[in-house]
Amino acid sequence: SQQGEEDPQALSIQEGENATMNCSYKTSINNLQWYRQNSGRGLVHLILIRSNEREKHSGRLRVTLDTSKKSSSLLITASRAADTASYFCATDPSSGSARQLTFGSGTQLTVLP
Amino acid sequence: EAQVTQNPRYLITVTGKKLTVTCSQNMNHEYMSWYRQDPGLGLRQIYYSMNVEVTDKGDVPEGYKVSRKEKRNFPLILESPSPNQTSLYFCASAFRGNGGWPQHFGDGTRLSIL
Repeated sequence: SQQGEEDPQALSIQEGENATMNCSYKTSINNLQWYRQNSGRGLVHLILIRSNEREKHSGRLRVTLDTSKKSSSLLITASRAADTASYFCATDPSSGSARQLTFGSGTQLTVLP
Repeated sequence: EAQVTQNPRYLITVTGKKLTVTCSQNMNHEYMSWYRQDPGLGLRQIYYSMNVEVTDKGDVPEGYKVSRKEKRNFPLILESPSPNQTSLYFCASAFRGNGGWPQHFGDGTRLSIL
């Protein structure tokens, strides 16, 4: 079963705009991770946020985590055409075991030039 | 260059013909895993390995086998492939860092079972 569910399923924006994707999950987590997948390629790890963190930044990426609502958001600022990809959240359960990293079904982001 | 390498990248075969998808990583990672990706279902874990000679089932292990005889290699074996195993497969490796296990993925293997 899927732990993370992304919203929206698809998002289309103009270059330079900000893109926000949301992830909801069901059970307690140790950390939550975001990945990007370009068409025809493997997933690339973007950022990891631990359960005791509320916000984390990496370049143009900003991730928030609200454990009370069991939700996370990924914000990409000043988007570029090269940001066009699918974005997945993945949850790592409270046990901290790598074994149960569970992925959602992803948000397809299209950035129009 | 740090990478996870899968072979083949594409394979079309027939039902019942045993096949192996190889996976190798050059980062000395302890953890390796196989996933399948199907439209609308995201990635689902097939098997994982926490170290040499240690493997365990993920969420969808039926019809698959794995082995971990060396730290760098983690082949996925389909003893008797069936059409419902047509999918995009990813191998990943990880080490414990930054409070979790961020995973490094190969570029995928697209299998078509006729």
